[in-house]
Amino acid sequence: SSELAQDPAVSVALGQAVGITCQGDSLTSYSASWYQQKPGQAPVLVIYAKDRRPAGIPDRFSGSTSGNTASLTITGAQAEDEADYYCSSRDTSGNLVLFGGGTKLTVL
Amino acid sequence: QVQLQESGPGLVKPSETLSLNCNVSGGPFRNYFWSWIRQPPGKGLEWIGYIYYNGNTKYNPSLKSRVTISVDTSKNHFSLKVNSVTAADTAVYYCARVTCSGGTCSVFDSWGQGTLVAVSS
Repeated sequence: SSELAQDPAVSVALGQAVGITCQGDSLTSYSASWYQQKPGQAPVLVIYAKDRRPAGIPDRFSGSTSGNTASLTITGAQAEDEADYYCSSRDTSGNLVLFGGGTKLTVL
Repeated sequence: QVQLQESGPGLVKPSETLSLNCNVSGGPFRNYFWSWIRQPPGKGLEWIGYIYYNGNTKYNPSLKSRVTISVDTSKNHFSLKVNSVTAADTAVYYCARVTCSGGTCSVFDSWGQGTLVAVSS
């Protein structure tokens, strides 16, 4: 399979938890990474290897995978978390890097 | 902390070749993969390909026939060429460092700021 599927938009109330999902057959074999992109800026890595956070990423960001679905969870969403979020992984052949279509997160 | 900076023309004519460079500073160049990723205006991210510091490459099959990525380790930079461009190649082009984790090399841990390339006559 050569696709990672994400919901186009998700909203969350300030301070609440929210999950963003990414579905694809390749996720049963390859780990997902997650990127945050704010308007006019380059993407920033927030989660890699399913659940690892780079230095400097707040611990309210966490990742998990179950079967063919990877999830990014933000616990206690802040206004500055409003952004587009992209998942990424390999395709099932392992030869191609895929990105999901992106999820626009709105913090209400 | 590693920094990446794209450079190149912001406007390319249809059917011509798009050429971009990415300069890497502040961190090691060897023993890493280096990648190009693009984003059409208002759309999502598309992986173009990557190159290892020793010159080994891997390309997105959808672009492979038109794309060349090269590396110059003496200057700590790598380059992208896209041949026979059309309006569909208009995008912000990002260069990024690739790290390996969990058995695969597909984690983009540092990105350039991106450069917009428009294809128009």
